[in-house]
Amino acid sequence: DTAVSQTPKYLVTQMGNDKSIKCEQNLGHDTMYWYKQDSKKFLKIMFSYNNKELIINETVPNRFSPKSPDKAHLNLHINSLELGDSAVYFCASSPSTGGSYNSPLHFGNGTRLTVT
Amino acid sequence: GENVEQHPSTLSVQEGDSAVIKCTYSDSASNYFPWYKQELGKRPQLIIDIRSNVGEKKDQRIAVTLNKTAKHFSLHITETQPEDSAVYFCAASYEYGNKLVFGAGTILRVKS
Repeated sequence: DTAVSQTPKYLVTQMGNDKSIKCEQNLGHDTMYWYKQDSKKFLKIMFSYNNKELIINETVPNRFSPKSPDKAHLNLHINSLELGDSAVYFCASSPSTGGSYNSPLHFGNGTRLTVT
Repeated sequence: GENVEQHPSTLSVQEGDSAVIKCTYSDSASNYFPWYKQELGKRPQLIIDIRSNVGEKKDQRIAVTLNKTAKHFSLHITETQPEDSAVYFCAASYEYGNKLVFGAGTILRVKS
């Protein structure tokens, strides 16, 4: 009954491959996010969807493509993986857009992606 | 630009002492300032938050203060315990509340 669940927990793959990470939330939230945490622990927003509509798209390479089939799911597909993509990817959700007092972020447990 | 600066990057304190972590933000329109704690190998979790019309908020051993004029906010942990050891992130809202921008994190070590 994890509130924000993402799979897989670990992903080890070779350069050039294509991979996907899935995220689901059962909190009834309207907004979902992908954050990337690099080796220095820096948390940076990548994408945000509100009710399946893309509202935040940071300067992320277009090899990264998010997809939200419904407001409870937000998946991340990555094409042509590179060494620099190695990081922990966190999915998160919030009741509405995440920058307000009544809409805190709830993070998933993260997916550790290692590209060799 | 959208920026949140956080200091110090690492902080070691003796058990029972206080710890203070400071952040500054750049957008005067920011109005929401949460703090997250991330234990090793785990997800960030919200520990306390404050909105711009409040100067201080306390929750047991944790307090947050906000100076909107100076665009500073701080996390104060009193009577630190070993289980307080973690990475702490501050954040500020940007783009009219559409996103949170995080600071670079502070590694807090509480020595017993």
